Amino acid sequence: ELKVEQNPLFLSMQEGKNYTIYCNYSTTSDRLYWYRQDPGKSLESLFVLLSNGAVKQEGRLMASLDTKARLSTLHITAAVHDLSATYFCAVIKAAGNKLTFGGGTRVLVKP
Amino acid sequence: ETGVTQSPTHLIKTRGQQVTLRCSSQSGHNTVSWYQQALGQGPQFIFQYYREEENGRGNFPPRFSGLQFPNYSSELNVNALELDDSALYLCASSRSAQGDYEQYFGPGTRLTVT
Repeated sequence: ELKVEQNPLFLSMQEGKNYTIYCNYSTTSDRLYWYRQDPGKSLESLFVLLSNGAVKQEGRLMASLDTKARLSTLHITAAVHDLSATYFCAVIKAAGNKLTFGGGTRVLVKP
Repeated sequence: ETGVTQSPTHLIKTRGQQVTLRCSSQSGHNTVSWYQQALGQGPQFIFQYYREEENGRGNFPPRFSGLQFPNYSSELNVNALELDDSALYLCASSRSAQGDYEQYFGPGTRLTVT
């Protein structure tokens, strides 16, 4: 059974500093996703990572994938308050199949 | 292009009752997946419908059932509601269950069981 673990579960950030969220998964997967969720809202897709060594960046967020280590990281550069949210990684093992999510990392950026 | 829509937005039910949640898929999408997200947790896969047939199911009891219609919209039905069924229910549509197609999530239905 595919398992996905994120850490930390909660991250209190100071504005302007850099932080990393880690996502480990238990078996080989076809794709890895990162989502953002604001309180009471749905999931917003941030990145799709398809292959080993993939790196994607959007603004202050950068995601990378190491399929050999079964590890993805979401790096936040110079955190700002607007990045406060819960971030989820999710993996999909076979095309069209179910997404398996991590437990989420709740991020709070303080001034 | 209309995105994924869900109805109702919020719902309060009593334990033992039955509920139906609805999802309209994005234009051009024939696959709908349903997820349950309990408070403070990641979403969990309930089941997927592809071309009106169930195409995979997660670890949920049979009282969770679904349908997909010819226009590819979908319903999630939950019988004999339990308190633990209180959650945000998300549906996601994708262009196909065959191939590498991203799932697009709807806004969700917040179900509270009292």
